[in-house]
Amino acid sequence: GENVEQHPSTLSVQEGDSAVIKCTYSDSASNYFPWYKQELGKRPQLIIDIRSNVGEKKDQRIAVTLNKTAKHFSLHITETQPEDSAVYFCAASGANDYKLSFGAGTTVTVRA
Amino acid sequence: DAGVIQSPRHEVTEMGQEVTLRCKPISGHNSLFWYRQTMMRGLELLIYFNNNVPIDDSGMPEDRFSAKMPNASFSTLKIQPSEPRDSAVYFCASKGQGLYEQYFGPGTRLTVT
Repeated sequence: GENVEQHPSTLSVQEGDSAVIKCTYSDSASNYFPWYKQELGKRPQLIIDIRSNVGEKKDQRIAVTLNKTAKHFSLHITETQPEDSAVYFCAASGANDYKLSFGAGTTVTVRA
Repeated sequence: DAGVIQSPRHEVTEMGQEVTLRCKPISGHNSLFWYRQTMMRGLELLIYFNNNVPIDDSGMPEDRFSAKMPNASFSTLKIQPSEPRDSAVYFCASKGQGLYEQYFGPGTRLTVT
């Protein structure tokens, strides 16, 4: 099955700086890569996703890049704000099913 | 849209008791997923249904766990008998046909003492 690894496990940044989280996946057939944000005690919320036919996608201060050859994808958050503090999960889904395999999560803390 | 609805939000039970968690997917969605979240194991997929049919239950930990989806708007996850190691947050998620995006419910925090 799919194996997703996520790094770093924790990330502390100064408000206004950028944050980058990286994930690798094992199944070359995977074609859908979402990112979820989970605040303490809340549900995971989809913040951005990318399909395998696209190399980069942006939505305001967040962007995701995908390198299919290397089987890795990254989340970039620019101009970080305190409300960006949360746990972020990457995930991957295969071409023949919709099962999501999640990374272990990155706890992002934005220091004011 | 009400989103995915789960009940109860919190459940505290004693070891050996039966626990039933409930989920109502987003109206019109045809796939439903049950996940378990713990600090040690992260987010794990337990089972998913497509058009009310279980497609993959390879993540169900053991025979004590069972899940049903009797119709398009309701699913249950049952644990019988429950054990302290089942303590976790259980999330239900749903998605629409032909789409990839999964939307999570608020979760049920289960504590087995």
